[in-house]
Amino acid sequence: QVQLVQSGAEVKKPGASVKLSCKAFGYTFTNYAIHWVRQAPGQGLEWMGWLNTGNGNINYSQKFQGRLTITRDTSASTAYMELSSLRTEDTAVFYCGRRNGRNLDYWGQGTLVSVSS
Amino acid sequence: QSALAQPASVSGSPGQSIAISCTGSSSDVGGFDHVCWYQQEPGKAPKLMIYDVSNRPSGVSNRFSGSKSGNTASLTISGLQAEDEADYYCSSFTDRNTDVFGSGTKVTVL
Repeated sequence: QVQLVQSGAEVKKPGASVKLSCKAFGYTFTNYAIHWVRQAPGQGLEWMGWLNTGNGNINYSQKFQGRLTITRDTSASTAYMELSSLRTEDTAVFYCGRRNGRNLDYWGQGTLVSVSS
Repeated sequence: QSALAQPASVSGSPGQSIAISCTGSSSDVGGFDHVCWYQQEPGKAPKLMIYDVSNRPSGVSNRFSGSKSGNTASLTISGLQAEDEADYYCSSFTDRNTDVFGSGTKVTVL
């Protein structure tokens, strides 16, 4: 069955970078785009960016331009999200989601990133 | 891109119907029939409930329905049940080839 399995929780200091992974199971990875979504504690969902897993094209939210890098390894059916220059307000759960049409039909379990000095 | 506007909370008694609005602009909600609704329970990943304004994925109860008029989309939950208590988020495709989420609505079953 379709599954997105994300990497484990991370603890980082301000100014550092974090790179999260999202591994796909149960379908052809390059047939569906992957989106990344952030959710700060007690807050709503925030769209970050998406990756065309087939051709590698990416589109980022303006809010994260310059700090966000989304990549993929097609041989490993895995997408990656790297966020740099971390601030305490970047503490959040990060989700990856599979795009089917214009919706996210499967989601990863989420990865908690804690940023603290 | 600002978040789509949703009411912070909506409540209803079991069996009642409630509606959640999602207001954007002609650059997102009003410009495309690609509005989705997600349900999120505490500590869990979001779950797709409605896609392309009014379509239900397989397995989602027909008590959930969606519609759109102009720049405002709506999610209606009929025959409200205790299990419907959760946070609900709308999202829309935008003219920048990006997505945007709504601010979220907490549904409480009285």
